[in-house]
Amino acid sequence: AQRVTQPEKLLSVFKGAPVELKCNYSYSGSPELFWYVQYSRQRLQLLLRHISRESIKGFTADLNKGETSFHLKKPFAQEEDSAMYYCALSDSNYQLIWGAGTKLIIKP
Amino acid sequence: DGGITQSPKYLFRKEGQNVTLSCEQNLNHDAMYWYRQDPGQGLRLIYYSQIVNDFQKGDIAEGYSVSREKKESFPLTVTSAQKNPTAFYLCASSILRGGVGRGELFFGEGSRLTVL
Repeated sequence: AQRVTQPEKLLSVFKGAPVELKCNYSYSGSPELFWYVQYSRQRLQLLLRHISRESIKGFTADLNKGETSFHLKKPFAQEEDSAMYYCALSDSNYQLIWGAGTKLIIKP
Repeated sequence: DGGITQSPKYLFRKEGQNVTLSCEQNLNHDAMYWYRQDPGQGLRLIYYSQIVNDFQKGDIAEGYSVSREKKESFPLTVTSAQKNPTAFYLCASSILRGGVGRGELFFGEGSRLTVL
């Protein structure tokens, strides 16, 4: 079955500490994976996608097909990173399969 | 100003009433989607449409209905048959092509429906 799992509902780290939001997937084809972010009082928006291999706002995510993971990482957390983060997988019909989300809180 | 507009932002409804949420986009996107967002459950797909006058049920379509008479508009009706309608509803749109654009959804600000 196609599935995206974000094991942590809540992640709390101190400012300046490294952040890793976990995402594991189950998909029979060649996956395309995304991270979406929802800041307080803002609309849900795309943060980054694995195919672009980009770094956005200091965040990176590497697709590990062996471990079927797409963890989101940032070496030094900032207070403005506090938000809800969703991992998603695009299937061959352009449908997104969503994880349950992780709420990231950055403590000062 | 391009984007997706949802209205109303907040809506209260009595039990037994139908209510329609509006979603309009001026991005010239082919596909439009309705999601329901509940705490701890992520986004669940209600309906989606990839072309005018055609739409498909998502994972939780029961108690909801949609129409797609124009490319720009994809209204969602929450009917009295929906057992637990109090939720935050998100509309989104996307282009339909492979490559970089695939999987990128543009979201509205959402509509919060409360059933009294």
